[in-house]
Amino acid sequence: DAKTTQPPSMDCAEGRAANLPCNHSTISGNEYVYWYRQIHSQGPQYIIHGLKNNETNEMASLIITEDRKSSTLILPHATLRDTAVYYCIVRGYSGAGSYQLTFGKGTKLSVIP
Amino acid sequence: DTGVSQDPRHKITKRGQNVTFRCDPISEHNRLYWYRQTLGQGPEFLTYFQNEAQLEKSRLLSDRFSAERPKGSFSTLEIQRTEQGDSAMYLCASSTSSGSNQPQHFGDGTRLSIL
Repeated sequence: DAKTTQPPSMDCAEGRAANLPCNHSTISGNEYVYWYRQIHSQGPQYIIHGLKNNETNEMASLIITEDRKSSTLILPHATLRDTAVYYCIVRGYSGAGSYQLTFGKGTKLSVIP
Repeated sequence: DTGVSQDPRHKITKRGQNVTFRCDPISEHNRLYWYRQTLGQGPEFLTYFQNEAQLEKSRLLSDRFSAERPKGSFSTLEIQRTEQGDSAMYLCASSTSSGSNQPQHFGDGTRLSIL
């Protein structure tokens, strides 16, 4: 089973920040949080990942709570092209099964004009 | 930097036929993964290669499925005696092994339809 919980859908007005939450209350010390998104008929696109510090890149920011039990992906200025399913995934870096990504159902983000 | 390339993008075949898909990973990525995605679901892991060695296989990978990566570069996924339930998107991803947390980068998949 997926180790994360995400809302099934969210709306965001174009130009506003999109804040996508993810709960991962059973995360262990060596597990990273990864975010991917998938636009219809395309493969998943890597967005960002982190362990315990907040991270930012050209696409998004990732805020991880101090207890690491939840995180938020922030798209600072959402555009119509950000409409997609967003997946939050936790993955360890060692041991059997650590190489695979376990996808849940994700959050369907709709950016509205 | 060219991304992960998959061929063909679409495949339609009759039940019982064999099909083969190809994946070309990002250059110098020594790790390669196959996933399957059915409608409305997230991708599910099938198998993983490091260089030419197949190191992990999911229970989803029945004996009708075989994956190879003979020279540690491109990979093929073959399905023998296809069944209706094999209809899905087959995704390939690749990553480096430098560091313990390198992200996987996906291709746009091969969509398989079984008539």
